[in-house]
Amino acid sequence: DVKVTQSSRYLVKRTGEKVFLECVQDMDHENMFWYRQDPGLGLRLIYFSYDVKMKEKGDIPEGYSVSREKKERFSLILESASTNQTSMYLCASSRGLAASNEQFFGPGTRLTVL
Amino acid sequence: SQQGEEDPQALSIQEGENATMNCSYKTSINNLQWYRQNSGRGLVHLILIRSNEREKHSGRLRVTLDTSKKSSSLLITASRAADTASYFCAPLDTGRRALTFGSGTRLQVQP
Repeated sequence: DVKVTQSSRYLVKRTGEKVFLECVQDMDHENMFWYRQDPGLGLRLIYFSYDVKMKEKGDIPEGYSVSREKKERFSLILESASTNQTSMYLCASSRGLAASNEQFFGPGTRLTVL
Repeated sequence: SQQGEEDPQALSIQEGENATMNCSYKTSINNLQWYRQNSGRGLVHLILIRSNEREKHSGRLRVTLDTSKKSSSLLITASRAADTASYFCAPLDTGRRALTFGSGTRLQVQP
């Protein structure tokens, strides 16, 4: 079974802190994705990566950066956390180079910024 | 950016009944996927239908796609309490490298 794990289920941080959210997949997938999910807004794509050290902006990249130094790990960084970044963050991965392949999701990290 | 819009936003049915959810989108697509999310969890892939397909089945799931109307539907037959979840469609725009998701349909199946 494909497994996508996220470093924390719940996280509480203060405004201005630098926050790291880690995601690891164990199926050698090329593509990895970060989404945030908010009530009434659905899932919105923040960043994705289709190869090591490669990244592309999604629909809402402002205030975030990412790092993919190894194929299995994709990190989301909040450079200076703000209260409007309080959300559920979901990581996903998929195989191959085609975006049409199914995505496998982690359990999510519920981040609260105070 | 492309985003599927699910309808209805919420649906409550009795166990054994069928549940139908609809998805509309705006531009040309390569394929459309449906996902399920149990409360507080990640999403799970259910089924993928390609733009040249009109209907697809998987167990109790039936998905249709009408590219002329830019719409898709997900039918769950003989629903069970365990089907209670949110359901999302994710169209893949031609030329886009990532899926986009709507706000989902919250399905409640009463035992």
